[in-house]
Amino acid sequence: SQKIEQNSEALNIQEGKTATLTCNYTNYSPAYLQWYRQDPGRGPVFLLLIRENEKEKRKERLKVTFDTTLKQSLFHITASQPADSATYLCALDAPSTGGFKTIFGAGTRLFVKA
Amino acid sequence: DAMVIQNPRYQVTQFGKPVTLSCSQTLNHNVMYWYQQKSSQAPKLLFHYYDKDFNNEADTPDNFQSRRPNTSFCFLDIRSPGLGDAAMYLCATGSGGHEKLFFGSGTQLSVL
Repeated sequence: SQKIEQNSEALNIQEGKTATLTCNYTNYSPAYLQWYRQDPGRGPVFLLLIRENEKEKRKERLKVTFDTTLKQSLFHITASQPADSATYLCALDAPSTGGFKTIFGAGTRLFVKA
Repeated sequence: DAMVIQNPRYQVTQFGKPVTLSCSQTLNHNVMYWYQQKSSQAPKLLFHYYDKDFNNEADTPDNFQSRRPNTSFCFLDIRSPGLGDAAMYLCATGSGGHEKLFFGSGTQLSVL
């Protein structure tokens, strides 16, 4: 079955730097890959979706890349701010009876220091 | 403004005492999901519905059941909660395509 691997170690960076988070998957390449932000005690919030035929997607300070050869997505936050501190989850579609379902990685915790 | 609403935010139950968690949505989405998330772990899919079609994950314990009486509401029933069932339970909705999910704030379940 599909496995999603994200770095379990927290990432600590200084304000203003670029944070780069990694998502690797082990099996088939999904048609879509998504990134979510989760704050402590809250539900995940959608950030970006990238399709398999897209190499890169941007939204404001966020950038996602998708490399189906490496089976990897990278998530970048440029000019990071303390308010960006959160857990970032990678998610992708997996086949399910009746269509597709969305499965998640465990996330990487990001701390941005002022 | 809330689009996916979960009640209650915090639920305390006793070992073995049945508990029901609820989820409602105002988005009219045809797909609804229940995830279980333990500390520092991935949200784990328990079930999902495409309209009324119920899809159970193979590793979801029989102790967990779900009901979707209409498009707007979905319930998670835990028949005999054990200590290992203490977790955050997340409800999410989707439009059925490969699109983003909308999550509720979750219900944090404690089992005493």
